[in-house]
Formats: sequence, structure tokens, C-alpha cells
Amino acid sequence: QKEVEQDPGPLSVPEGAIVSLNCTYSNSAFQYFMWYRQYSRKGPELLMYTYSSGNKEDGRFTAQVDKSSKYISLFIRDSQPSDSATYLCAMSSLSGGYNKLIFGAGTRLAVHP
Amino acid sequence: DAGVIQSPRHEVTEMGQEVTLRCKPISGHDYLFWYRQTMMRGLELLIYFNNNVPIDDSGMPEDRFSAKMPNASFSTLKIQPSEPRDSAVYFCASSPRAAEETQYFGPGTRLLVL
Repeated sequence: QKEVEQDPGPLSVPEGAIVSLNCTYSNSAFQYFMWYRQYSRKGPELLMYTYSSGNKEDGRFTAQVDKSSKYISLFIRDSQPSDSATYLCAMSSLSGGYNKLIFGAGTRLAVHP
Repeated sequence: DAGVIQSPRHEVTEMGQEVTLRCKPISGHDYLFWYRQTMMRGLELLIYFNNNVPIDDSGMPEDRFSAKMPNASFSTLKIQPSEPRDSAVYFCASSPRAAEETQYFGPGTRLLVL
């Protein structure tokens, strides 16, 4: 079993839809949870960052962490064609004092006009 | 800042040849990471450096892979000899500090070994 599970998709939605992306994990020591966005032929870039449980909102994006269920989500409201990308969840336990990120496989999202 | 710089952006080589990938981290960042991304295995950490010193190389697949960081502004990942299964996108990332800081990724080097 992988430490982080993420449905690779692809996920195709119409413009304006609400998108829900999810990851589950098995390591209860994870404390830091991130969502990276990766456009085609580009490097991943940090989109959202959350420490421990709870919600975090940034514009059209909301990240949720439920540590009791070992489940994290990213919601995109009013999705736009420019949101079409691969979304990677990543998490870390800060074990040994450094931020070793464990990535999910990534979910490919396509938002069509 | 220009961000993390990687070269070359694309590399096509034949099996058995030596491949050297290069990375210039963001100035002032103490941590440098090398990742490999494939469709099958996703994004995997190969090795990371702290202040130019290799700290964790447990992700390096085998002895054919080696990485160096001779100074704070330059790192190389070398594959010798290369094999077709090494074909992947290799990313370099840097981070200001270890604790909870985000990692900034370069554009990647797309490697194809024939």
C-alpha cells in the first residue's frame, strides 16, 4: 500500500463547475499537507499549504484536512479552463527535521469551456 | 529571482552513455532536492542536500546514479551508464529551510534514453 493514494483521473468538468480533488494517506505522523499544481511540461508549484487539521481558503481554492480520517481535499470553485493541470497532493511529517515530501500520483483535471 | 534553473531542458541519449543534469537553486536556499517523475511511479525523491552536504540518498535507484553539490549555487545529477528505464523527467527543487517550507521546483529535464 502506498503512503499516499490519489486517483489519477482524468477528471473532466465544464467551466464554472465545483471540482473536488482528494487524497488519502496511511502515515498518522503527517502534519503538513500541500497541494501542488503542475501544468503540462512544467515543474510543480505550490498552490495550498495546511498545517494539521482544518480548512484553508484562498480565493477560489479551499483545502481541507481531516486527520482522523487521514483524508485531504482540494475544492476549486467556479473552475476555469486555466485550472486545467495536474494536481498533486503532498505531505510531510518533518521527521528528522527536514521536509521530506511524499507525493500522490496526481490527478489530471481538464476544465472545458 | 529567476527561480530554480535546470539544464538541459531536454536530453536524448543512447543506452550506455553518461548523462549529466545540472541545477542552480534559488539564491539563499539551504536545501536542494532531486526528484524523478514518471507516469508509473509519480514524483519520487532521489536525494537531498543541506548546505551542500548530501543528507538522504535513500531514493537513488542504484550505483549508476550519483549527485554532487560542489557549492551553494550548483548541483549535478549524473547517470553512468544510462539505461532506457532511466527515461523520465528529472526535477530539481530548493527550499529556504527544512521546517515546513515549501519547495520551489525547476522546469525539469526531460530525459530519453534510447
